[in-house]
Amino acid sequence: DAGVIQSPRHEVTEMGQEVTLRCKPISGHNSLFWYRQTMMRGLELLIYFNNNVPIDDSGMPEDRFSAKMPNASFSTLKIQPSEPRDSAVYFCASSLGTGTSNQPQHFGDGTRLSIL
Amino acid sequence: GENVEQHPSTLSVQEGDSAVIKCTYSDSASNYFPWYKQELGKGPQLIIDIRSNVGEKKDQRIAVTLNKTAKHFSLHITETQPEDSAVYFCAGLYGQNFVFGPGTRLSVLP
Repeated sequence: DAGVIQSPRHEVTEMGQEVTLRCKPISGHNSLFWYRQTMMRGLELLIYFNNNVPIDDSGMPEDRFSAKMPNASFSTLKIQPSEPRDSAVYFCASSLGTGTSNQPQHFGDGTRLSIL
Repeated sequence: GENVEQHPSTLSVQEGDSAVIKCTYSDSASNYFPWYKQELGKGPQLIIDIRSNVGEKKDQRIAVTLNKTAKHFSLHITETQPEDSAVYFCAGLYGQNFVFGPGTRLSVLP
């Protein structure tokens, strides 16, 4: 079975440029999560969708960040304009049901983003 | 508040020895506690989880114990092997979201 698929795996770009990260969740999963991982702050939840609807975006750092889920099999995380402090590994995860249903999250292999 | 603490931050053991990683959680955590293993260049992968209706769960060389009174849960790896070397994360479920511990870097020395 295919797991969560993220693209690109690596992204290097100059500050000020727009960055778009992509995620395909596991088929049949109806919850999708975007995380950011850094050495200093660990794994941080950015935003969470259930049935394609954003439920909690309180972790999104600022207005430069936006996320969409146009359908059950695709989500994007966009940063515009990007800044060096956005450099991190960004993970997408999916699960069955809502968080309260105690279902595990399945993670993709992440996108390593470097903003120069 | 929502907080998960994890200790130790790094752990080195000899191959064949056991490793134990402990996590504590704050009052409002729900009753589901997963453990994830993250290898270099990969995403966290679920290795075992426990729900509060049981005190212990085992899966081959891996076990998790839960003490609800003390609000802590632990990961036990027996007969460690070099491929167990990775970063391990615990998590607590708060409302609809998981809060992850800061991670433990386990090194199994041959």
